[in-house]
Formats: sequence, structure tokens, C-alpha cells
Amino acid sequence: SQTIHQWPATLVQPVGSPLSLECTVEGTSNPNLYWYRQAAGRGLQLLFYSVGIGQISSEVPQNLSASRPQDRQFILSSKKLLLSDSGFYLCAWALQGGTEAFFGQGTRLTVV
Amino acid sequence: GESVGLHLPTLSVQEGDNSIINCAYSNSASDYFIWYKQESGKGPQFIIDIRSNMDKRQGQRVTVLLNKTVKHLSLQIAATQPGDSAVYFCAETYSGNTPLVFGKGTRLSVIA
Repeated sequence: SQTIHQWPATLVQPVGSPLSLECTVEGTSNPNLYWYRQAAGRGLQLLFYSVGIGQISSEVPQNLSASRPQDRQFILSSKKLLLSDSGFYLCAWALQGGTEAFFGQGTRLTVV
Repeated sequence: GESVGLHLPTLSVQEGDNSIINCAYSNSASDYFIWYKQESGKGPQFIIDIRSNMDKRQGQRVTVLLNKTVKHLSLQIAATQPGDSAVYFCAETYSGNTPLVFGKGTRLSVIA
């Protein structure tokens, strides 16, 4: 069966520090991968998605970047965090040409 | 911006009553819709889906209705239980090759 791992679960970082959140998927090959952000009490905003290794599409201009160095690994990064980067970050995967997205448990990022 | 929205941001129901959560979508090209349930501090979990060639689909205690004429989606939960308390999101996509677009969510509170 397929599983998705996302870590860390919680993270407190100072303004201006770098960020690296990692997400890995097991049990499937060549998945579509997604990073969403959820502000408190709000919906899910798509940040990045990837249909293959090295292929990244950005949905909104921001202080973040994403990379896919391996088929089942998706990384969300920032060189210098801003207070506005605080939120709940969710990684998800879906089958190529599929529909349903499967979510990880999320990372609660607080920038102080 | 988001193309999927919700009529009711919060909903309180008595335990045992039926719940109806509504969603409006704006992209008439969307052909696949999903309802997700998100419990506090967790990633969204799939509840039920429906394709645009259907107007109703039933699961265990849940029913999704799709009205393409008015671009409206609803989730009905029968005999609502305390464990149903969560935030519910509708999401849409086109042919599974575009990332899911989520609505803002409705918080369902079940009163025991």
C-alpha cells in the first residue's frame, strides 16, 4: 500500500533562517506531488506541484521554492523565512492522470 | 484565486441529525469533485468523490450531490456523530491532470 511521510510535524524558526521540509512517498512510482499551505482557519492554497523528477510548477510567487531530486521525494525550501510564511504545510501525492490526492499529516511552521 | 467556495463557514448540528454542507464551484470545465474531512492538526482525508457524469453518489452515511446547472455540490451526512466534527473541504479538478483546487472549508460541530 502507498504511504506518504512528511516531517517534521512541528517547527519553530526565526525570521531570516532557512527552511527545508521533506516529503516522501512509498509504494508507488512516478506520482504527481504537491505542496499546499493552509493558514489558520483557512482553505488549502496550492504552492507547487510536480509531475516528474526536476519538474516543478509554481502556483503563486512567494518566498519559497520546491525541488524534486528523486521520484518520490519532494522538498519545500526557503533561504530566508518571513513571518508570513507561518502556516500548516501539507504534502500530497496523486497518481499520474489520477484524481484523488492523498495527504501527509502536515508540518506546523511558526516563524518567530 | 480559488474557484471553489462555500456558502456556510460553520455548521452546528445535534447528534443524530443529518448534516448538509454546501459548496459552489465556478469552473464549468471541472469534471471531478471530492469532499475531504480534516480533523484538527491533521491532513485532509478523502470522504467521497463524484464525476461530472453523475448527479448523486452514496457512501457509508454520506451522499454527495452534484448540480451542474448551478455549479453546486453538497455533502450530506446521515445521523451525524461526534466523530464527524471536523472541517470539510470540497475540491475540484479537470480530468485529473490539474491540481485539486480547494474551497475555504466548513467547520462542522456536532452537539451531543
